[in-house]
Amino acid sequence: QSALTQPATVSGSPGQSITISCTGAYNDFAFYNYHNYVSWYQQHPGKAPKLMIYEISNRPSGVSPRFSGSRSGNTASLTISGLQAEDEADYYCSSYTTSSTYVFGTGTKVTVL
Amino acid sequence: EVQLVESGGGLVKPGGSLRLSCGASGLTFSDAWMIWVRQAPGKGLEWVGRIKSKADGETTGYSAPVEGRFTISRDDSKNTLFLQMTSLETEDTGIYYCSTERAGAMDHWGQGTLVTVSS
Repeated sequence: QSALTQPATVSGSPGQSITISCTGAYNDFAFYNYHNYVSWYQQHPGKAPKLMIYEISNRPSGVSPRFSGSRSGNTASLTISGLQAEDEADYYCSSYTTSSTYVFGTGTKVTVL
Repeated sequence: EVQLVESGGGLVKPGGSLRLSCGASGLTFSDAWMIWVRQAPGKGLEWVGRIKSKADGETTGYSAPVEGRFTISRDDSKNTLFLQMTSLETEDTGIYYCSTERAGAMDHWGQGTLVTVSS
């Protein structure tokens, strides 16, 4: 199972919006039990990952509404609006596959200029 | 508040074995589906495997690189998840995280435990 493809780096100035893409093959994004299980994680250096988005576009309780997710075909996207210094971190997408396994993306380092 | 605490990491020689534990609190552990994820130094996240709840058959699944070498189990009476690792290779070096699984995502994570496979 190959990793999903993400850009290595994305940068933006404070207040701007940025979008991180996550591309895979058709069977990487399984439609399972009437759900699309695509999720996004934020990881600061030396810390554990944190769930930011699940089922393509849902935010867990406590996650800022500045984070939003979407999907078109074989590409999922994470958008961060109103970029803030604290958003500087690594971001990973993940999907549940038709093989009943999970696959992560290659990871994207977000830099706030 | 859900808390997951991994332990058992350390230095092991290639070909050796190690058992990791993940203690859980703040949730009904017996109902939880649990996942192990690892991260090699300076690299990205890699899904290792999962175990469903006893009610869902305690079914396990593994990634290709660890299939046949790693075994996930659970002790619901002790709210503890395990990862038994055998035939360890240098490529297995990394931080190992346990997480809960819900709605196709890993929603709560532990702080991780470091496994180093080196001679």
